[in-house]
Amino acid sequence: GAGVSQSPRYKVTKRGQDVALRCDPISGHVSLYWYRQALGQGPEFLTYFNYEAQQDKSGLPNDRFSAERPEGSISTLTIQRTEQRDSAMYRCASSSLTGQETQYFGPGTRLLVL
Amino acid sequence: AQSVTQLGSHVSVSEGALVLLRCNYSSSVPPYLFWYVQYPNQGLQLLLKYTTGATLVKGINGFEAEFKKSETSFHLTKPSAHMSDAAEYFCASRKGGSTLGRLYFGRGTQLTVWP
Repeated sequence: GAGVSQSPRYKVTKRGQDVALRCDPISGHVSLYWYRQALGQGPEFLTYFNYEAQQDKSGLPNDRFSAERPEGSISTLTIQRTEQRDSAMYRCASSSLTGQETQYFGPGTRLLVL
Repeated sequence: AQSVTQLGSHVSVSEGALVLLRCNYSSSVPPYLFWYVQYPNQGLQLLLKYTTGATLVKGINGFEAEFKKSETSFHLTKPSAHMSDAAEYFCASRKGGSTLGRLYFGRGTQLTVWP
């Protein structure tokens, strides 16, 4: 079956612009996670949802970052007023139960802020 | 607090040689432990995981790892490396026995396999 998909795969934007990154989880997966991975580093947790409820947003670096999952399926991570330090790979993962099961990762969105 | 340390950001082996990628964890309770592999331009793929039960776990592509509580380690091994094993490997932990799902990742180890 289809895995986790993310769009766009690559995004180049100018400093100060807003960007929206989309994640489409595996069908039926109730948990959805966002991670950010800088070059040469492992992924770092940003936030996660069970169904439409945001369970933990402690990893969001500041209030320019927000995420939503209004219908409990597709999720959008929005970065307002982007800065060069926001450049990274943004990864989405989903799992089938509420945090107990394996997280399946999408291919990621590579964001470059000029 | 949880953390994962991967010793060695780069490991090089010859084809057919033993692969050993090191991972140590820090956790106040026995964690769940994972190894993921990342091929270029692809997402992270689960190799294997330890949650409870048998401490030696086998994964895909001939990899295995052993949970050693006394050493707080979860090293990844493969008896004989193949060219196709060249990739980046990430060790990760999650709080055991909890519904909280966030993963804590190490910095990754790039594996190079020489012919």
